[in-house]
Amino acid sequence: NAGVMQNPRHLVRRRGQEARLRCSPMKGHSHVYWYRQLPEEGLKFMVYLQKENIIDESGMPKERFSAEFPKEGPSILRIQQVVRGDSAAYFCASGGTSGSTDTQYFGPGTRLTVL
Amino acid sequence: QKEVEQNSGPLSVPEGAIASLNCTYSDRVSQSFFWYRQYSGKSPELIMSIYSNGDKEDGRFTAQLNKASQYVSLLIRDSQPSDSATYLCAVNRGTYKYIFGTGTRLKVLA
Repeated sequence: NAGVMQNPRHLVRRRGQEARLRCSPMKGHSHVYWYRQLPEEGLKFMVYLQKENIIDESGMPKERFSAEFPKEGPSILRIQQVVRGDSAAYFCASGGTSGSTDTQYFGPGTRLTVL
Repeated sequence: QKEVEQNSGPLSVPEGAIASLNCTYSDRVSQSFFWYRQYSGKSPELIMSIYSNGDKEDGRFTAQLNKASQYVSLLIRDSQPSDSATYLCAVNRGTYKYIFGTGTRLKVLA
């Protein structure tokens, strides 16, 4: 199965620690999208990346959050100095090469809990 | 006004009935429309995409799009308890950015 892979599936951090979430897109896909879902809320777009490029990070909080998609390896969403409000499910989706008309396929998500 | 609006539900239907899920959107330039199903604690799963006015059928699912009314719906025929989930409507303006509604929770009663 060459679906979207995310790890870890569950992550527990204490306030002030760093969280690193990884996403490997579906085979053949070169676009990665990160979303955050708070309990009882919809999916909120965070960032869109292609290999070695951040295309749109308009949904990312200005501080503490960063994302990358290196030439080799998975995309990483990094949250520094986590706070309780960062507790959420973080989903990665991948799409193909067209960008504008991608159908997005979601990974299983990482559920972050900040104690 | 939210960009994509859905009734949060829960929408309860008996097994075997037709479930009708509705979604309205505010931006007239929206071009692509998607329905995702999300089971509790799981990731969204694509069910249907629709791009043109009218109906699109896939098995027990029918998506309906009316761009003049800015309205997209999902019909589920012969509803089964396994269809119980949250259904997310997503809208795309021809760019990469999907705008999601908050979802409608469907309960199919056995």
